[in-house]
Amino acid sequence: DVKVTQSSRYLVKRTGEKVFLECVQDMDHENMFWYRQDPGLGLRLIYFSYDVKMKEKGDIPEGYSVSREKKERFSLILESASTNQTSMYLCATEDSSYEQYFGPGTRLTVT
Amino acid sequence: QKEVEQNSGPLSVPEGAIASLNCTYSDRGSQSFFWYRQYSGKSPELIMSIYSNGDKEDGRFTAQLNKASQYVSLLIRDSQPSDSATYLCAVTSGRDDKIIFGKGTRLHILP
Repeated sequence: DVKVTQSSRYLVKRTGEKVFLECVQDMDHENMFWYRQDPGLGLRLIYFSYDVKMKEKGDIPEGYSVSREKKERFSLILESASTNQTSMYLCATEDSSYEQYFGPGTRLTVT
Repeated sequence: QKEVEQNSGPLSVPEGAIASLNCTYSDRGSQSFFWYRQYSGKSPELIMSIYSNGDKEDGRFTAQLNKASQYVSLLIRDSQPSDSATYLCAVTSGRDDKIIFGKGTRLHILP
């Protein structure tokens, strides 16, 4: 069974804070993804990574950065949190058949 | 142009009936197709993958793919209240195999 874990289920941060969201997988998958999900907007891809040290921008990278120092760990960083970044953040890994497996999600509130 | 389209619903189906969920996609080069189930407040969970034309059955679930008409559907037989969820259709891009998600169809099984 694929196991994808995220560092927090719920997080409340203040505007301007730097926020770290961590994702860890135990299935040795090369590909990892960060999405945000908002009502009516569906899943939107923020960043993805196909290898250690490699990162690619998704559809909405502004205000975010990522880090992948080890294969199993993919971190999303909000450089200076803003209220419009209040959302559900989902990490996913992907196997060689393009099947994606999601972590439980982090519901982030920025006040 | 919407790349993966789904009716947002809600689709209401009586318990024990067949629920039929549909999805159309715009990229003729798409090769891989997926259905995810997402319960309210939870992360998406992969329930079916289909890669070739025709039907694929797994328990009460049947995925149907018609590449010529560019649609993929999910049938749920003997619908149960526990099937009430949002169902996300996803397809790979023909250009770079990136996953593209639809916004989902809300399914409500009436007891």
